[in-house]
Amino acid sequence: GIQVEQSPPDLILQEGANSTLRCNFSDSVNNLQWFHQNPWGQLINLFYIPSGTKQNGRLSATTVATERYSLLYISSSQTTDSGVYFCAVGSGNTPLVFGKGTRLSVIA
Amino acid sequence: DGGITQSPKYLFRKEGQNVTLSCEQNLNHDAMYWYRQDPGQGLRLIYYSQIVNDFQKGDIAEGYSVSREKKESFPLTVTSAQKNPTAFYLCASSGVLADTQYFGPGTRLTVL
Repeated sequence: GIQVEQSPPDLILQEGANSTLRCNFSDSVNNLQWFHQNPWGQLINLFYIPSGTKQNGRLSATTVATERYSLLYISSSQTTDSGVYFCAVGSGNTPLVFGKGTRLSVIA
Repeated sequence: DGGITQSPKYLFRKEGQNVTLSCEQNLNHDAMYWYRQDPGQGLRLIYYSQIVNDFQKGDIAEGYSVSREKKESFPLTVTSAQKNPTAFYLCASSGVLADTQYFGPGTRLTVL
């Protein structure tokens, strides 16, 4: 099956800094989603982005499907951005496969 | 309010007992999923269902069972055959399999 690799595994930022999280996948996909899991365990869908670029406030994402990677950008980070960011991919009619996540800690 | 509810939030059970976790959605979604998350790990798929009265095994189905008798409901039973049941269990739904997934708040199961 598809393999999903996220980097870095851990990231510590000062409030106000910018960051880039990466998701590499091993096969072509038609479904790619980014999620944020807060410290209480709730997962929120950030982007549905199998290709192209999307922006939502301080967050943006770019997926280059032909090169099998996606990037999540966080600008002007805030303490509320802390948590784990997951990338998940799917192809054909198969369910999503999740990466192991990037754990982000934003320090005031 | 539209959304996904899971109950209970915390569950404690003795070893050897079966336990059923509830998941309900009012989003009118066809597809529903159960995931398991262990500390510091990603999500692993247990079972999923694309339509009422049908479901498929995910990557770690052994020791678990599900039913999908109603579109809104997808309960998960953790049986005594599951060797390490203590974990965080997350339910999700989407319109169809390839659509945006939405998650419930999760159930933390501890087996003593």
